[in-house]
Amino acid sequence: NAGVTQTPKFQVLKTGQSMTLQCAQDMNHEYMSWYRQDPGMGLRLIHYSVGAGITDQGEVPNGYNVSRSTTEDFPLRLLSAAPSQTSVYFCASSYSTGGETEAFFGQGTRLTVV
Amino acid sequence: KNQVEQSPQSLIILEGKNCTLQCNYTVSPFSNLRWYKQDTGRGPVSLTIMTFSENTKSNGRYTATLDADTKQSSLHITASQLSDSASYICVVTSSGTYKYIFGTGTRLKVLA
Repeated sequence: NAGVTQTPKFQVLKTGQSMTLQCAQDMNHEYMSWYRQDPGMGLRLIHYSVGAGITDQGEVPNGYNVSRSTTEDFPLRLLSAAPSQTSVYFCASSYSTGGETEAFFGQGTRLTVV
Repeated sequence: KNQVEQSPQSLIILEGKNCTLQCNYTVSPFSNLRWYKQDTGRGPVSLTIMTFSENTKSNGRYTATLDADTKQSSLHITASQLSDSASYICVVTSSGTYKYIFGTGTRLKVLA
């Protein structure tokens, strides 16, 4: 049982390049989400999904795309990387967000855009 | 606006001492409140989850309290250890949404 797996752990991009951050979970969770964590700020929601084929925007969606073709995978795509997207990105999954449902986070992807 | 505020921003204590971290929120309607521990370079790990009807929950040396009337929570760490050095994040969920609202965290440093 691997939990939530994010790849890569580190990435350096040049401005304008595109890339995909991978997130996979093996717990059959319906809810998955992507966050970015910047110094001095709480984690901010980029996009989330409540099940395969269903995605929605979070607080800071601009410059990012997501899709959810399977329950297990929730990739985050940077369309044209900008220095402002330098951050640590976390993927999370859970059965739901209510009650006492446990939420699990991946180990993070540290992205630097130069 | 739904917000979660934590205090203090940072805290240094000696090993073996107790400490209490605070979380105030304005999230409404309230669903649950979670405390997470985040070690440097790692993802957050859940410590406790409390719903509206709960006012205290323990996980080993960690005890969380919740006052839903005043919209305040605290995380008390007993007999601190060096491994407690981390950021502690308060997260609140609003009923009917799928969004977690994160505080900025309290960075705790435990010294030998």
